[in-house]
Amino acid sequence: QQQVKQSPQSLIVQKGGISIINCAYENTAFDYFPWYQQFPGKGPALLIAIRPDVSEKKEGRFTISFNKSAKQFSLHIMDSQPGDSATYFCAASTGNQFYFGTGTSLTVIP
Amino acid sequence: KAGVTQTPRYLIKTRGQQVTLSCSPISGHRSVSWYQQTPGQGLQFLFEYFSETQRNKGNFPGRFSGRQFSNSRSEMNVSTLELGDSALYLCASSSFPGQLHGYTFGSGTRLTIV
Repeated sequence: QQQVKQSPQSLIVQKGGISIINCAYENTAFDYFPWYQQFPGKGPALLIAIRPDVSEKKEGRFTISFNKSAKQFSLHIMDSQPGDSATYFCAASTGNQFYFGTGTSLTVIP
Repeated sequence: KAGVTQTPRYLIKTRGQQVTLSCSPISGHRSVSWYQQTPGQGLQFLFEYFSETQRNKGNFPGRFSGRQFSNSRSEMNVSTLELGDSALYLCASSSFPGQLHGYTFGSGTRLTIV
């Protein structure tokens, strides 16, 4: 059973556009929701994270929107740039157990 | 503060050989996990070690094994290499098992089987 479902699998966005990646979870015990960014040939790196007591967190052009009732959270990349082209993973954690989404390959076209 | 260090960065082996990959976690981190990542695929969990004990194991054949030393450094071994073993192998470390806070990945070892 997939604990965290991520979509879409791939995404192509024009430069300057908004990239949106979604994740859904089932376990209401999850209390930490990070997003990771991975460039080719590198390991994933923490990009931004949110806890369920807030509905939105913004860091520069990156925003996490969190909907506790729907058990969904999403990553929004505003003004997408070619340098944002990477694979993005969501994750969910209970504190002693965690699960990764399957990843989204984002391509930003100049 | 040094990050997670994986060596070597690149490796080319032939079918049937065996390989050992190394991972040095962040200082103070005692939990080390290994993942296999193939092109377009997600993070396939291999195993997790804490205090020199394997705590969890993913769905991989017995050709894949690992160990952890008293200094928390970990090694992963793959025997009888197959073409399908070509992948990026990632190591990640954290203070405690199952803890995503502070979970840090290394840059990986790119293993190519010819």
